[in-house]
Amino acid sequence: AQSVTQPDIHITVSEGASLELRCNYSYGATPYLFWYVQSPGQGLQLLLKYFSGDTLVQGIKGFEAEFKRSQSSFNLRKPSVHWSDAAEYFCAVDPLSGGYNKLIFGAGTRLAVHP
Amino acid sequence: DGGITQSPKYLFRKEGQNVTLSCEQNLNHDAMYWYRQDPGQGLRLIYYSQIVNDFQKGDIAEGYSVSREKKESFPLTVTSAQKNPTAFYLCASSTWEGGSDEQFFGPGTRLTVL
Repeated sequence: AQSVTQPDIHITVSEGASLELRCNYSYGATPYLFWYVQSPGQGLQLLLKYFSGDTLVQGIKGFEAEFKRSQSSFNLRKPSVHWSDAAEYFCAVDPLSGGYNKLIFGAGTRLAVHP
Repeated sequence: DGGITQSPKYLFRKEGQNVTLSCEQNLNHDAMYWYRQDPGQGLRLIYYSQIVNDFQKGDIAEGYSVSREKKESFPLTVTSAQKNPTAFYLCASSTWEGGSDEQFFGPGTRLTVL
């Protein structure tokens, strides 16, 4: 079945440590890929997106993500986490079918940051 | 400032009542969407609209209805037929030029059934 998987429900890191959030998808063709962030009780904000080209994508707030076709993955990374990064992170995929901007979301990864 | 507004921020409903959630955008986007968010389940698409006076069911449309009479507005009605309406509802919009683009999200409405 077509799906987006974020294997880690919760992650806790210390401030200043590096971060990697995992995302895997199961679609036949290379979809369009997105990472969104959500602060508690708020809407979603786009961090970065991948459509084509360079597989390493830079986003806002110091985040980057790498698309690996062979692994069907689009992992989000940050070299040094700040306390303000504590939030929930969603990977989303547009499978490029259905004739509209259809986004399939993963279940999310909640990030906690220890001082 | 361009963006998406949703109102109210919090909404309480008694069982058997219909309620309407407001979504307005001034981004001049053609496409608008409604999602439902439950803990641990990510976002699920309820309805979407690519153009005024047209809308389509998403993955979980049962118990919901929408209208799109104006480009900037896409209200969602949660009817009494929705068995478990307590959730966080998010509205989004995007351009629609035949390809994919990012969706912009509103701040959400939290609906609680009493």
